[in-house]
Amino acid sequence: DIVMTQAPLSVSVTPGESASISCRSSKSLLHSNGITYVYWYLQKPGKSPQLLIYRMSNLASGVPDRFSGSGSETDFTLKISRVEAEDVGIYYCGQLLENPYTFGAGTKLELK
Amino acid sequence: EVQLVETGGGLVQPGRSLKLSCVASGFTFNNYWMSWTRQAPGKGLEWVASITNSGGSTYYPDSVKGRFTISRDNAQNTLYLQMNSLRSEDTATYYCTRFYYWGQGVMVTVSS
Repeated sequence: DIVMTQAPLSVSVTPGESASISCRSSKSLLHSNGITYVYWYLQKPGKSPQLLIYRMSNLASGVPDRFSGSGSETDFTLKISRVEAEDVGIYYCGQLLENPYTFGAGTKLELK
Repeated sequence: EVQLVETGGGLVQPGRSLKLSCVASGFTFNNYWMSWTRQAPGKGLEWVASITNSGGSTYYPDSVKGRFTISRDNAQNTLYLQMNSLRSEDTATYYCTRFYYWGQGVMVTVSS
């Protein structure tokens, strides 16, 4: 199984500043079709997960462009610029390259 | 607007069965693979099952293989999860998902 390792497990950010979350996979998530199958989700308190970034760097519909995704075949980063109060929650990376689909343990973002 | 609405959760004794349903709307259901993902209380995300758009193939992680069955009725835009031989570790909120969109989730509690 592909293991997804996130860091840090929690981060405290001053509103208006930026934050970065790292995710590392135990195997390359680059498919032969050129697509990297890593996804980023935000789960706000008491809510379902919502998609932020798909296929490593594509912004999901309706997501503010303060969010961006980047990376290589095994190392990925979610960057949030100008953090706002509505960004509080748990961020998960996940791989949809192969079964079993797996997710990181989550990174909790709080405001200072 | 895409909507995924799960029903069928509840309290069930260990060893018994339960069937979840998910009614989809706002997109062409039979064009998409569908999945179930769960989240135990206070824990992260765990993929549970996926089914191809035609229903011809299904996929499961080892943790539920042989006990859970995913199915779909494309005429009714409905996804199902039949859960047999339930265990306490199956206690979780179950989400119907296309991985781009997620339902609100339904709680399943396995306890005597």
